[in-house]
Amino acid sequence: IQLTQSPSSLSASVGDRVTITCRASQGISSYLAWYQQKPGKAPKLLIYAASTLQSGVPSRFSGSGSGTDFTLTISSLQPEDFATYYCQQLNSYGFGPGTKVDIK
Amino acid sequence: EVQLVESGGGLVQPGRSLRLSCAASGFTFDDYAMHWVRQAPGKGLEWVSGISWNSGSIGYADSVKGRFTISRDNAKNSLYLQMNSLRAEDTALYYCAKARRMSGTFAFDYWGQGTLVTVSS
Repeated sequence: IQLTQSPSSLSASVGDRVTITCRASQGISSYLAWYQQKPGKAPKLLIYAASTLQSGVPSRFSGSGSGTDFTLTISSLQPEDFATYYCQQLNSYGFGPGTKVDIK
Repeated sequence: EVQLVESGGGLVQPGRSLRLSCAASGFTFDDYAMHWVRQAPGKGLEWVSGISWNSGSIGYADSVKGRFTISRDNAKNSLYLQMNSLRAEDTALYYCAKARRMSGTFAFDYWGQGTLVTVSS
């Protein structure tokens, strides 16, 4: 199962609404997770089961989708959200290529 | 507090072996599946291998199948990755990660800080 993410990178401002898309090469039901990784740090789980917010993650993060098409939305981008975001399918655990979010 | 501490990385020549360890604390280790994920310098995340709570289910990425062996010792709260026939393309930061459940299709909720493996002559 291959995952693609779009865009590969984006520039945004604090307060912007940001949407990242992840597409699977075949249906994976809701077996998808989203992670955030900052430079020099380990990845951090944000969303699992496509839309369930991990404990302690701010509510401005949300996930949706099922089957082959998924989205991660940040409703109002904060300075600490500038990072790279990865989706992961949980059937065979492969990751998407990542989306880098940086400051406009 | 959940802690995962990897060790065993270093510089190794192509074709040689290395064994990584991950020491776990702050949770009941034998209640959860565990995984290894790697990240080559400047690249994305790559799942390497995973093992269920009782070692009854084990999986590998195609890129390491037949060369790497994952194992765990629940009595020692430890996860291992035996890496043989190492190649330059195995150079990466190797993370130990805890799954949310004991086996199956569950995300990774805690990660270590990683141990760097460099394969070079």
